[in-house]
Amino acid sequence: GIQVEQSPPDLILQEGANSTLRCNFSDSVNNLQWFHQNPWGQLINLFYIPSGTKQNGRLSATTVATERYSLLYISSSQTTDSGVYFCAVRLRQGGKLIFGQGTELSVKP
Amino acid sequence: DTEVTQTPKHLVMGMTNKKSLKCEQHMGHRAMYWYKQKAKKPPELMFVYSYEKLSINESVPSRFSPECPNSSLLNLHLHALQPEDSALYLCASSQPGTSGFAAYTQYFGPGTRLTVL
Repeated sequence: GIQVEQSPPDLILQEGANSTLRCNFSDSVNNLQWFHQNPWGQLINLFYIPSGTKQNGRLSATTVATERYSLLYISSSQTTDSGVYFCAVRLRQGGKLIFGQGTELSVKP
Repeated sequence: DTEVTQTPKHLVMGMTNKKSLKCEQHMGHRAMYWYKQKAKKPPELMFVYSYEKLSINESVPSRFSPECPNSSLLNLHLHALQPEDSALYLCASSQPGTSGFAAYTQYFGPGTRLTVL
């Protein structure tokens, strides 16, 4: 089956720093989502980005589908950015999301 | 409105209890999902409903019984659970596509944190 790998697994930043999270996937995908899971467990949609580049405030994402990777950029990080960031790809049949193992981000004041 | 709601937020139950988790969405989505998430792990798919019919069961034990009474509601009935079933249970919804709803964003609820004693 398709493999989804995220790096780094853990990341500690000082407030105000920038970071890049990576998601590699082993096969062609129809679409890709980035989520932020906050410390209370809520999974928040960040981007639906099967290809191309999108920006939303301090966050942006780029997916290069032909090279099977996606990047999530966080600029001027804040303590509220802490949590786990998941990349998930979708298979055509059954809407099944295949999640990566996540990147746990901790932003220190 | 892109909200999926879940009740209760927390649930503690004994191994002989019967309880239910509830999920509701008013986005007009016709695909709904149950996921289980253990600590430090990604969510794992349990069930998928499409147009109120069960379309995927990921080999989940029968002590978990899903139900989709209408297009807005999804329940998960729990009976005779084991301590290892303690986890965060997440509900999600999306629009179904013409070939397995591959093209649409999936929205998640806040989850029910379940503890089985």
